[in-house]
Amino acid sequence: GAVVSQHPSWVICKSGTSVKIECRSLDFQATTMFWYRQFPKQSLMLMATSNEGSKATYEQGVEKDKFLINHASLTLSTLTVTSAHPEDSSFYICSGETRGETQYFGPGTRLLVL
Amino acid sequence: SQQGEEDPQALSIQEGENATMNCSYKTSINNLQWYRQNSGRGLVHLILIRSNEREKHSGRLRVTLDTSKKSSSLLITASRAADTASYFCATDVWWSEKLVFGKGTKLTVNP
Repeated sequence: GAVVSQHPSWVICKSGTSVKIECRSLDFQATTMFWYRQFPKQSLMLMATSNEGSKATYEQGVEKDKFLINHASLTLSTLTVTSAHPEDSSFYICSGETRGETQYFGPGTRLLVL
Repeated sequence: SQQGEEDPQALSIQEGENATMNCSYKTSINNLQWYRQNSGRGLVHLILIRSNEREKHSGRLRVTLDTSKKSSSLLITASRAADTASYFCATDVWWSEKLVFGKGTKLTVNP
């Protein structure tokens, strides 16, 4: 099956710093990548949809200036959490979409902001 | 809202028993998918069922879809301890590639 990787798998940072999370599709080209956030014991909530070479589309309530998404190639998308605060602590999961309807998910990145 | 709702929220069974989880949604859909998430890990795609399909099998998994009731069920037969995980349904509509996830069912299979 299609494989998506994320790096780092976990990160601890100080409040006010920026954190970049990478999402790579390893064996397929993902024209669309998605970023989700999951708080403990809750479901995944879509943050934004990213199409290669164009600006990301953010879901309502997600600050585009705080969560910067770049999808520069068909195999790489990055999410940068700028000026992170403790309330941004969460589990961030990306997915890539190949032909058809199935999204393949990365293993997730756990972010803890102190 | 299109969001799915799974029930039960939590299910605890013995190894070898069958586990049934249900998912209901609110609007017409294009596809419904089931995913598994082990604790603190990413999601693993299990099965996709299209709106014009009623039942699908994959190994020990059986998924049904009733579009008239806007509901789906996931049956895991002969469960194993390794099946312990959270299971989510996710729906999409024909005019959007976005997936909307339900709240999930936490399944515990006791050895």
